[in-house]
Amino acid sequence: GAGVSQSPRYKVAKRGQDVALRCDPISGHVSLFWYQQALGQGPEFLTYFQNEAQLDKSGLPSDRFFAERPEGSVSTLKIQRTQQEDSAVYLCASSLSRTGDQPQHFGDGTRLSIL
Amino acid sequence: RKEVEQDPGPFNVPEGATVAFNCTYSNSASQSFFWYRQDCRKEPKLLMSVYSSGNEDGRFTAQLNRASQYISLLIRDSKLSDSATYLCVVNMEYGNKLVFGAGTILRVKS
Repeated sequence: GAGVSQSPRYKVAKRGQDVALRCDPISGHVSLFWYQQALGQGPEFLTYFQNEAQLDKSGLPSDRFFAERPEGSVSTLKIQRTQQEDSAVYLCASSLSRTGDQPQHFGDGTRLSIL
Repeated sequence: RKEVEQDPGPFNVPEGATVAFNCTYSNSASQSFFWYRQDCRKEPKLLMSVYSSGNEDGRFTAQLNRASQYISLLIRDSKLSDSATYLCVVNMEYGNKLVFGAGTILRVKS
């Protein structure tokens, strides 16, 4: 399909393990975003890439969270030494726009559960 | 104060009813506004952008009041399939970053 693709769809990990979540944006979309969505809440911004450049990482909750987009296409969100409060749905979105005037298109998300 | 605030609801309405949601935002310099819809355990999907002059898409009408810093969404002739969470979304002044409200739950019943 032509939409944003995320994998895995579900991830269960033990506390303390590292996890890596993948996002494949819509082809040609310059901007890529990661969000964290807790139950009953709206998505919360984590970080933003324009091509390969990470322009804003102000939403990353701690230095255990790291994101990259080395070739300006696929992105990976890595969480080190996971904790129970990291349990959430992690959403990736992409957009044609560099300025935020165009909507973002979301993937299905990765549902992360930390035991 | 949250940057984007919405009444969480739920709004329980019968089929055919008209229902309206409001949303307020804190940053007066915000430039872009959207309504997204999110079904249970699904990703958010764009419902409509919100323009300064107001805009309509079928049964859905969006309005923006910059002076009062609020956005509204009106749904006419509600359908069962309209049941979802409606997210108010604002692009804040500082860069390409969307801020989401917590969402308003709509339940349309037959």
